[in-house]
Amino acid sequence: DADVTQTPRNRITKTGKRIMLECSQTKGHDRMYWYRQDPGLGLRLIYYSFDVKDINKGEISDGYSVSRQAQAKFSLSLESAIPNQTALYFCATSGGRTGSHGSNQPQHFGDGTRLSIL
Amino acid sequence: GIQVEQSPPDLILQEGANSTLRCNFSDSVNNLQWFHQNPWGQLINLFYIPSGTKQNGRLSATTVATERYSLLYISSSQTTDSGVYFCAVLKTSYDKVIFGPGTSLSVIP
Repeated sequence: DADVTQTPRNRITKTGKRIMLECSQTKGHDRMYWYRQDPGLGLRLIYYSFDVKDINKGEISDGYSVSRQAQAKFSLSLESAIPNQTALYFCATSGGRTGSHGSNQPQHFGDGTRLSIL
Repeated sequence: GIQVEQSPPDLILQEGANSTLRCNFSDSVNNLQWFHQNPWGQLINLFYIPSGTKQNGRLSATTVATERYSLLYISSSQTTDSGVYFCAVLKTSYDKVIFGPGTSLSVIP
């Protein structure tokens, strides 16, 4: 089984719909991240969380919200989807076990969610 | 914030050729990773290399932290090496990973 699992893998929806992307991890990492990738571009950070009570905005958080329901789960929501949110979305984790400092640890990525908004 | 540049932006190689990809960054960093994004979009972690040299099969990476650059060397390239290569850096005081724009590699038979 994958260490970082994203669901769904693909989603097509209409403008104005509410969308939730889920991420779960079995690595026991403290830190979780959501990124967006547009065609021909690198990844841009949307939101990140260092533990269950911690939520931080990244460089492109407008139009998105997140929830860290448990140490192993981090979900991304689009409250009212718009076409320019069509992209490939990645979840990532880093860090050691709960309570450790993970800032220098490598990031591990899920397989991505392809989201198309019509 | 930190600026990350990668060169070249695009590269076409004949199968069997060698190549060097470069990543420059504008400030000191605590962490640097190289990733390969395959044609299916998956991000594969190649190296975690904040400094020094590492090798994994036909791939090797060197980071010279004092001079703010990292190199990814691909030897005897294969068609399966095609895809986009990203470097990503982290500075602890910023607490966020910054990705470069990537190098798109095509290896032709």
